[in-house]
This record gives sequence, C-alpha cells and structure tokens, in this order.
Amino acid sequence: QKEVEQNSGPLSVPEGAIASLNCTYSDRVSQSFFWYRQYSGKSPELIMSIYSNGDKEDGRFTAQLNKASQYVSLLIRDSQPSDSATYLCAVNYGGSNYKLTFGKGTLLTVNP
Amino acid sequence: IAGITQAPTSQILAAGRRMTLRCTQDMRHNAMYWYRQDLGLGLRLIHYSNTAGTTGKGEVPDGYSVSRANTDDFPLTLASAVPSQTSVYFCASSDLLAPSYNEQFFGPGTRLTVL
Repeated sequence: QKEVEQNSGPLSVPEGAIASLNCTYSDRVSQSFFWYRQYSGKSPELIMSIYSNGDKEDGRFTAQLNKASQYVSLLIRDSQPSDSATYLCAVNYGGSNYKLTFGKGTLLTVNP
Repeated sequence: IAGITQAPTSQILAAGRRMTLRCTQDMRHNAMYWYRQDLGLGLRLIHYSNTAGTTGKGEVPDGYSVSRANTDDFPLTLASAVPSQTSVYFCASSDLLAPSYNEQFFGPGTRLTVL
C-alpha cells in the first residue's frame, strides 16, 4: 500500500510568520509531488508541483523535495489569514501509473 | 465555460435509487478522474480514464460505474445508492501529453447525501 502521510494539525501560526507543512511518502520510485490548497467547502486547488530534489519557489510559497529521505515540504512565507486552509500533499508513484495518492491534509490557521 | 463543471451541486437521494453525477471539462484534457472525500479519510480515487473509450478502477470502485464516450464528459453512476456513499464527489482532469502531465485540476464538487 503506497501511502502519503501528513500531520493533520491544526497548525496555527501568527500573521507574518513562516508556516511549514510536511509530507512523507512510502515509495522511493515516486516521481512527482504536488501541494493543493483546499478552503472549507471548496475543491482542491493546485498551488505547487515539484519533480526534482531541492527547492522550488513561487511567490510566497517554496516547495522542498528530498527523495533520499522521502519527504516533501511546503513553506509559506509572510503567512496571511487568507492562507488559512487545508493543505493536501499528493504523490505520483510513476511508471505508467498516472494516478495521484493524496495525504489526508494539514489544517493551517493563520491568526491575525 | 473554462475548466471543469459538475452537476448537481448537491443532492439528497433515497437509498436504492440510481444517480448519475455529471462532469464536463473544456480543457481538452485526455485524462479524467473521480474522487470521493470523506472526513478523516481524505481524497480517494473511485475511477479514472486516461483517454476517451477507456476506464479503470481506483481505490474504492465498488458500487460505482463510469463511462467515457468522448473527451469532455465523464459521468459517474451509482446504480443503487447506499448511505455509505454519502460524500463529497470531485471530478478532476489532467493533460497526459503535457510535460506537467500529473497536474490534476478539480471541479467544484457534488455533495451527495444518501438517506
């Protein structure tokens, strides 16, 4: 069973702080990794994708991938109350399998 | 329209009834997916289709069927609904021919309650 593990939270940070969200996965052959943001009552929205080891930055968001340790993280700099949402980590295990396996999500609350 | 639409937005259904959830995308993506999302269980894949005319089973396919007659539409049918199928259902799509082929984009969802 290929698994994606996230801390369910809630993770609470003050406005302006850095929020750090973590995700581990079980299969070393995983090829691509994604972070989705989901507001309460809404659908998941893709915010970051990362395919190779290292950091990928997009605005206030940075995704970090370490395949040797089998973890991927998302950093949100200068957190805003509007960042309050559940963040879902998703992993594609590669090969001819185009399917994604999702973690259960981490609830982030940014306090004004 | 742009993106993925789902219908209905919400539905209350009596157990034993047949129900079809509709999903349409206008992005010409070749792959489409159906997920259900339940509290504490996260998103789970029900069925998928990598191209028109083909479908496959996901993690939780029992009680559900799909068809993919064309690129744009991917309906999900519950032949005889049961209360355990109460959930929020999301349709998603991806372009398997693009470099970012695993990026999936989600529709707004259908909230289904089976009584």
